[in-house]
Amino acid sequence: AQSVTQLGSHVSVSEGALVLLRCNYSSSVPPYLFWYVQYPNQGLQLLLKYTTGATLVKGINGFEAEFKKSETSFHLTKPSAHMSDAAEYFCAVSDNTDKLIFGTGTRLQVFP
Amino acid sequence: EPEVTQTPSHQVTQMGQEVILRCVPISNHLYFYWYRQILGQKVEFLVSFYNNEISEKSEIFDDQFSVERPDGSNFTLKIRSTKLEDSAMYFCASSVRELGEQYFGPGTRLTVT
Repeated sequence: AQSVTQLGSHVSVSEGALVLLRCNYSSSVPPYLFWYVQYPNQGLQLLLKYTTGATLVKGINGFEAEFKKSETSFHLTKPSAHMSDAAEYFCAVSDNTDKLIFGTGTRLQVFP
Repeated sequence: EPEVTQTPSHQVTQMGQEVILRCVPISNHLYFYWYRQILGQKVEFLVSFYNNEISEKSEIFDDQFSVERPDGSNFTLKIRSTKLEDSAMYFCASSVRELGEQYFGPGTRLTVT
């Protein structure tokens, strides 16, 4: 069965600093991996996804994530945080079906 | 830009009552989903729906729950005889194809008292 662990329910960074949100997964089959972002009072929006091929995936708003099979990780990074990045971020995994298994989420705060 | 909409944004109901949560998926999408998030817990898959049939459902989705696409635009989740533990944020999502990007609505917060 698939599962996702997001380390750190809250992450705070200064504007301009590196953003690193951690995600580790467990899957018995080659996983599909996703990062979603949720802004207040809005739905979940797909940031990026990994299915097959290149392990470094670039998404919207300058975010990227790297699939590391040996570490069962899919950490989300952004070189320079912006105030508008403040939101909740969810990592998710699927086993090649439409059923997404989500982590508990990480709330990102960006300070000026 | 097309978006998934959900109504109501907040529903309060008494234990034992039936509720219907409504979703309007993106118009050309064919695959529909419900997820829920109990406060402080993970977003959990409930059910997927395609071609007027349930494709997959989780253990949570028992006989208390049902889904329906009553017309060409709405996708509903019915919860019969609500329990306190049904209190959660319920998200609808839709996708244009299988394994395609799922577009989520803003959610309906259900409070059972």
